[in-house]
Amino acid sequence: AQKITQTQPGMFVQEKEAVTLDCTYDTSDQSYGLFWYKQPSSGEMIFLIYQGSYDEQNATEGRYSLNFQKARKSANLVISASQLGDSAMYFCAMSDNSGGGADGLTFGKGTHLIIQP
Amino acid sequence: SQTIHQWPATLVQPVGSPLSLECTVEGTSNPNLYWYRQAAGRGLQLLFYSVGIGQISSEVPQNLSASRPQDRQFILSSKKLLLSDSGFYLCAYTTGSNQPQHFGDGTRLSIL
Repeated sequence: AQKITQTQPGMFVQEKEAVTLDCTYDTSDQSYGLFWYKQPSSGEMIFLIYQGSYDEQNATEGRYSLNFQKARKSANLVISASQLGDSAMYFCAMSDNSGGGADGLTFGKGTHLIIQP
Repeated sequence: SQTIHQWPATLVQPVGSPLSLECTVEGTSNPNLYWYRQAAGRGLQLLFYSVGIGQISSEVPQNLSASRPQDRQFILSSKKLLLSDSGFYLCAYTTGSNQPQHFGDGTRLSIL
C-alpha cells in the first residue's frame, strides 16, 4: 500500500522568502507519479507540479520546483519568492502507474502554509 | 479546453435522506473519473473511480454508491445519509496515466 507523509502541519514564512514543504512517500511500486496540490480556503484543489518516478530531472513550474530524491523517497515542494497569495493548504499525493494509472491518488494530510507580510 | 463541473456547491440534508451529487466533464473523451471525500482539516480519501461507462471501483465500503451513466458524467449517491457522511466531496478527472487529476470546485455536505 502507498503512503504519503507530510510532517509539517503548519508553517509561517515571511513574504519573499523561499519555502520548502516536506513530503516523503512509501511504495513498493517501480512506476509511480508524485503530485503537489494547493487548496485555498475556498476549497478548490489546484494542481501545481508533477514528477514521474523515472524522471531524472527535477520538475519545475514557474516559482514551483520539486526536489525529488528517489533513494530517500522524498518529493519536497520548493516555492521561491513566496507571495501572500501562496497562503493555503498544500497536499502531496502519489499515483500508482503500474496498473495503467487509473487508480486514484493517495494524499498526505497536508501542510497549512501562511505567508506573513 | 477541458473543464469539470460539480454541483451543488453546498447541500444541507437531514439524516436518512437520499443524496445525489453530479459531476460532468467537458472537452475530453473517456476520462478516468474519481470521487473523493475530505473531512475537515484532513487530506482527501478516494471513494470511487471509473475508467469507463458503467465501470465503478469502490475503495471504501460505506453507504455511498457511484454511477457513470454517460462517458463524461459521474454521480455520487446514497439512499439514506448518515451523520458521518458530512464532508467536502470532490470530483476529479484525468485523461490518462502520468497525467494530473483536475478537480471540480467541490460540494460541502452537511448532515443534520
